[in-house]
Amino acid sequence: RKEVEQDPGPFNVPEGATVAFNCTYSNSASQSFFWYRQDCRKEPKLLMSVYSSGNEDGRFTAQLNRASQYISLLIRDSKLSDSATYLCVVNHAGGTSYGKLTFGQGTILTVHP
Amino acid sequence: DAGVTQSPTHLIKTRGQHVTLRCSPISGHKSVSWYQQVLGQGPQFIFQYYEKEERGRGNFPDRFSARQFPNYSSELNVNALLLGDSALYLCASSLGDRANNSPLHFGNGTRLTVT
Repeated sequence: RKEVEQDPGPFNVPEGATVAFNCTYSNSASQSFFWYRQDCRKEPKLLMSVYSSGNEDGRFTAQLNRASQYISLLIRDSKLSDSATYLCVVNHAGGTSYGKLTFGQGTILTVHP
Repeated sequence: DAGVTQSPTHLIKTRGQHVTLRCSPISGHKSVSWYQQVLGQGPQFIFQYYEKEERGRGNFPDRFSARQFPNYSSELNVNALLLGDSALYLCASSLGDRANNSPLHFGNGTRLTVT
């Protein structure tokens, strides 16, 4: 089983749509959670951290369910510029792993006019 | 301010050769991490260095090695290249050594093609 698994996608949605991505992680000792965004042939960039109480940043809402080991990202009112690969990322932070990020395979989102 | 810079941007090598990739972190950042990203997959952790010491190693063979210099820049070396080593190699820097409180900033990567 992969440490971090994401919806395979790809997602193709019209502008203005709401889209949700899901992610599960296998290590119950994981402590920190993030969503990164990666544009085509570019480097990953931090979109937002994910907190236990859930958090929102504009049109983006992230949720964490530690009991189910599940993370989600909701994008409301999709824009063309939201087209990218969304990476679910987990940090175990145990032993010597505190600097290591474990990435899911990514979910491709395409927003069309 | 300059971000994380990596060189070269692209590289083509033949099987069996070795390669050295270079990374300069953001000024003031003491931690450098290396990731390998194969097409269609998320980045995979290779190494982390902090204050010139190895702090973490991913599941990669001994053909992969790295080091960090006194100015916090870093090199990733790969010996005896295989076709499967073809990937985007990403360097990331951060202030501290803990990912939970020190966001990673990635460079543009080096795209390595092994033929």
